[in-house]
Amino acid sequence: EPEVTQTPSHQVTQMGQEVILRCVPISNHLYFYWYRQILGQKVEFLVSFYNNEISEKSEIFDDQFSVERPDGSNFTLKIRSTKLEDSAMYFCASRAGTGGINEQFFGPGTRLTVL
Amino acid sequence: DAKTTQPPSMDCAEGRAANLPCNHSTISGNEYVYWYRQIHSQGPQYIIHGLKNNETNEMASLIITEDRKSSTLILPHATLRDTAVYYCIVRVRNNNAGNMLTFGGGTRLMVKP
Repeated sequence: EPEVTQTPSHQVTQMGQEVILRCVPISNHLYFYWYRQILGQKVEFLVSFYNNEISEKSEIFDDQFSVERPDGSNFTLKIRSTKLEDSAMYFCASRAGTGGINEQFFGPGTRLTVL
Repeated sequence: DAKTTQPPSMDCAEGRAANLPCNHSTISGNEYVYWYRQIHSQGPQYIIHGLKNNETNEMASLIITEDRKSSTLILPHATLRDTAVYYCIVRVRNNNAGNMLTFGGGTRLMVKP
């Protein structure tokens, strides 16, 4: 069964450093998402991406965040200058956009720890 | 999106049916009821969705009341692996480029041997 994959599974970084979280969405899916979950809190939407541009973003997704689909398979989330409060699980999701089960499928997440 | 209310936690005996309720009294006519679950520290997993008819798939059944103000997710024979947080989400179903999901607190289901 096709699945969303994410790397790394755990990333530790120093405050102020840049991090790039990587995702490989399900092949042939057209819509891509990033969510985050701070420990013990709700899953929060960050951004959605379609046709090589951001279609929706939350208040959390400020200028420190950016997303990119550098090639036909990867979808990345970059945090330019990490803060302690960026420590969280980051989940990537993708959606087909056509036919079948047109719902969001999530990856296993990347645990980001900012020291 | 309409607001949903779920009990914070429930227990269920292994092998028995788990019935998870959700209230969505402000649901509008074009909003669907979705259920996702999140097993500890994993990504949320889609379970099922419905508009007004009851739905069943290989994972669960969804029962929506006639007035659509509440629904119940049924796991017919709960196993220990069904221990998770279950989220009821109400939103319009369309193919817009956004389609973000808004997660609440969910119900923490504990399946016990």
